[in-house]
Amino acid sequence: GIQVEQSPPDLILQEGANSTLRCNFSDSVNNLQWFHQNPWGQLINLFYIPSGTKQNGRLSATTVATERYSLLYISSSQTTDSGVYFCAVVSTGNQFYFGTGTSLTVIP
Amino acid sequence: GAGVSQTPSNKVTEKGKYVELRCDPISGHTALYWYRQSLGQGPEFLIYFQGTGAADDSGLPNDRFFAVRPEGSVSTLKIQRTERGDSAVYLCASSLGTGGTDTQYFGPGTRLTVL
Repeated sequence: GIQVEQSPPDLILQEGANSTLRCNFSDSVNNLQWFHQNPWGQLINLFYIPSGTKQNGRLSATTVATERYSLLYISSSQTTDSGVYFCAVVSTGNQFYFGTGTSLTVIP
Repeated sequence: GAGVSQTPSNKVTEKGKYVELRCDPISGHTALYWYRQSLGQGPEFLIYFQGTGAADDSGLPNDRFFAVRPEGSVSTLKIQRTERGDSAVYLCASSLGTGGTDTQYFGPGTRLTVL
């Protein structure tokens, strides 16, 4: 199956700082989503973004499908942004392949 | 309902026992997925339903695992003769159409612990 790599694996930020999370994938994709998994384990949709750029408040994402990567930008981070961020892709078929995630800790 | 729901939220069982995990997808969603997440890892695909039929069960680890969706809505994941290695969080997701190009929405998961 398709390989999905996320970087960095861990990130610690001071509240108010900005960050960029990266997702590389090994094949062309039909679907790419970014998720935030909160401390209770719930996976929350952030973006459906197989290509292009989207913004939602302090978060934005860009996928460059031809170069097989996606970026998630977090601006003015808050403590509630803490958790694990996953990139997941669908190549052929319907199943998601998940990366191993970026664990973000925002300290006040 | 407002979102995907899963029951129970936690299940503790003994090695060798049988368990059933339930998923209620978002109303009207035809596609349903089961994933399994081990500690420190991303979720891994188990099975995908389109309507009542299992369209892709290639992720089921062995024949102890089985899932059904008899009326095209609620799904049950069944695990026979549980083993300690089955301990994980089992996640269900649904999407309006085929998940290949539709947003998948995840439930809160069932944490299974096999003693």
